[in-house]
Amino acid sequence: AQKVTQAQTEISVVEKEDVTLDCVYETRDTTYYLFWYKQPPSGELVFLIRRNSFDEQNEISGRYSWNFQKSTSSFNFTITASQVVDSAVYFCALSDQNTGNQFYFGTGTSLTVIP
Amino acid sequence: GAGVSQSPRYKVAKRGQDVALRCDPISGHVSLFWYQQALGQGPEFLTYFQNEAQLDKSGLPSDRFFAERPEGSVSTLKIQRTQQEDSAVYLCASSIRGYEQYFGPGTRLTVT
Repeated sequence: AQKVTQAQTEISVVEKEDVTLDCVYETRDTTYYLFWYKQPPSGELVFLIRRNSFDEQNEISGRYSWNFQKSTSSFNFTITASQVVDSAVYFCALSDQNTGNQFYFGTGTSLTVIP
Repeated sequence: GAGVSQSPRYKVAKRGQDVALRCDPISGHVSLFWYQQALGQGPEFLTYFQNEAQLDKSGLPSDRFFAERPEGSVSTLKIQRTQQEDSAVYLCASSIRGYEQYFGPGTRLTVT
């Protein structure tokens, strides 16, 4: 069965602190894709990154970085030097060949950055 | 605009009424998805279209839910005889390759 777990329900940090959002996934397939989305208060889900199961290289994009570890089935997301505009709910999602194109989302982590 | 659009943004329905939610995907995107997002939860898959073909409707919670995409572009999600448990945000997403999905702003449905 496919499952995504985001154990952190809510996180609060002070501006400029670093913060890591955890994501643990379950799938029996060897080919799968992992995603992170941001949902600001306006409600629209914003795509951040896609990673396929064969590419374990970590990625950095500005203040954002992602750490994919197949050995622990984790795909964690770090925001460096957080800003107030980073306040949002962040979702991790999984899709795999067995389920075609549908996404399985975690329950989300609500991040509040305090000025 | 260039993104996915949904209408209406907000809908209040009395229990037992039928509602229709519209999604305009990004032009050229062949794949279209509907998700239901309850308060404080992640989106949950409802159904998926590739062009006009509905390839997966395994997530539709009951036979009161029906979706169509007759010309392979605009899609409509219809809920008949709405119940209070149908209250949620309904999200539409489109994709060109079936990988990253681009989401609309959602329709917030409240059933009273």
